Amino acid sequence: GAGVSQSPSNKVTEKGKDVELRCDPISGHTALYWYRQSLGQGLEFLIYFQGNSAPDKSGLPSDRFSAERTGGSVSTLTIQRTQQEDSAVYLCASSPQGNYGYTFGSGTRLTVV
Amino acid sequence: KNEVEQSPQNLTAQEGEFITINCSYSVGISALHWLQQHPGGGIVSLFMLSSGKKKHGRLIATINIQEKHSSLHITASHPRDSAVYICAVNSNLRAQKLVFGQGTRLTINP
Repeated sequence: GAGVSQSPSNKVTEKGKDVELRCDPISGHTALYWYRQSLGQGLEFLIYFQGNSAPDKSGLPSDRFSAERTGGSVSTLTIQRTQQEDSAVYLCASSPQGNYGYTFGSGTRLTVV
Repeated sequence: KNEVEQSPQNLTAQEGEFITINCSYSVGISALHWLQQHPGGGIVSLFMLSSGKKKHGRLIATINIQEKHSSLHITASHPRDSAVYICAVNSNLRAQKLVFGQGTRLTINP
């Protein structure tokens, strides 16, 4: 596609349920990032994938969070046993090689009730 | 103290005014980015800078590496420029990971 596609755009889930958020990056972009933006807060780095290298998971806030990137393309961010503090907009971005030329998706707004 | 600080946090101006948003950072960087986030969450990359000045339409971005400071200017501002403007840097220590400022909420009134 022409841009970074994220789905769903909105997700409401009950506390304790697992959720999966999907990111479809720009074709050919080797770098993929997940960020989180809580209400009234700045953007927070979660995880970074670059090609076939081991992902940089240093931003994941707890072991309930995990992410995969299959075939160097689509990525899924999974949050297990969701908590209310997980409510945020989850943004995905991709870039051709990393550290320049970022394109952001429109985000997934997650609400945990 | 955040590694990237923006000022002001909020800015309201009248259409046509010249706008300046400032960004200061405390780490060594390889690049600095200005991003625009409209209501609804979509983010657009405006500029990437490693030195000097860049211009795109009514937007101008400058960076002073020695002073660790960047500015985003908007000339002849328009209500459609209303958005949150975010400064972000690639630090030398972890170049692949953006470190974000808290953003500046700009409102341009007609």
